[in-house]
Amino acid sequence: AQKITQTQPGMFVQEKEAVTLDCTYDTSDPSYGLFWYKQPSSGEMIFLIYQGSYDQQNATEGRYSLNFQKARKSANLVISASQLGDSAMYFCAMREDSGGGADGLTFGKGTHLIIQP
Amino acid sequence: GAGVSQSPRYKVAKRGQDVALRCDPISGHVSLFWYQQALGQGPEFLTYFQNEAQLDKSGLPSDRFFAERPEGSVSTLKIQRTQQEDSAVYLCASSFLAGISSTDTQYFGPGTRLTVL
Repeated sequence: AQKITQTQPGMFVQEKEAVTLDCTYDTSDPSYGLFWYKQPSSGEMIFLIYQGSYDQQNATEGRYSLNFQKARKSANLVISASQLGDSAMYFCAMREDSGGGADGLTFGKGTHLIIQP
Repeated sequence: GAGVSQSPRYKVAKRGQDVALRCDPISGHVSLFWYQQALGQGPEFLTYFQNEAQLDKSGLPSDRFFAERPEGSVSTLKIQRTQQEDSAVYLCASSFLAGISSTDTQYFGPGTRLTVL
């Protein structure tokens, strides 16, 4: 079973609208971290936002916020007031604290977001 | 401050050749990770270093893949006898903390795009 599921391969959004990118995850570890990265066409993975499994409040970073619903194992990224420069691939990723698995991040397949003027 | 740098940015190799990919992490970062990103996919974990110690190499796809970080700073990923299926973008990431921690954010370099003909 996939550990990170991103069900939207591609999205078209009008500039200045808010957009929600979906991410669900699967883990039995009570302690884990969830990350969102942006990958523009240049290829570099840019860190956007982090949410810890024990955090009581949803994470926010500027125009980015994370809608964390722990019981549903959901960690959706919300981008407010989208801009043309937001067009990119967006990846949800998880790291578990158990140490039983690989030490790296586990990524989803990504969502290709295109902002239209 | 300088981010993670990787070289070369692009590498074309003939099948059977050996290649070496370099990663220069953010100064002071203890942890270093290598990922492989196939076209249209999310990155997949290859290996993890804490300083000079390679603590996890569970993601290396075969014994043709070898990574080192002899002085706990710069790392090299070597692929021997390259095959066409090795064609991918190889991403390096570093993080400040040592040990397994889901709170530790990984910062990525621009990647090396390897094409094996």
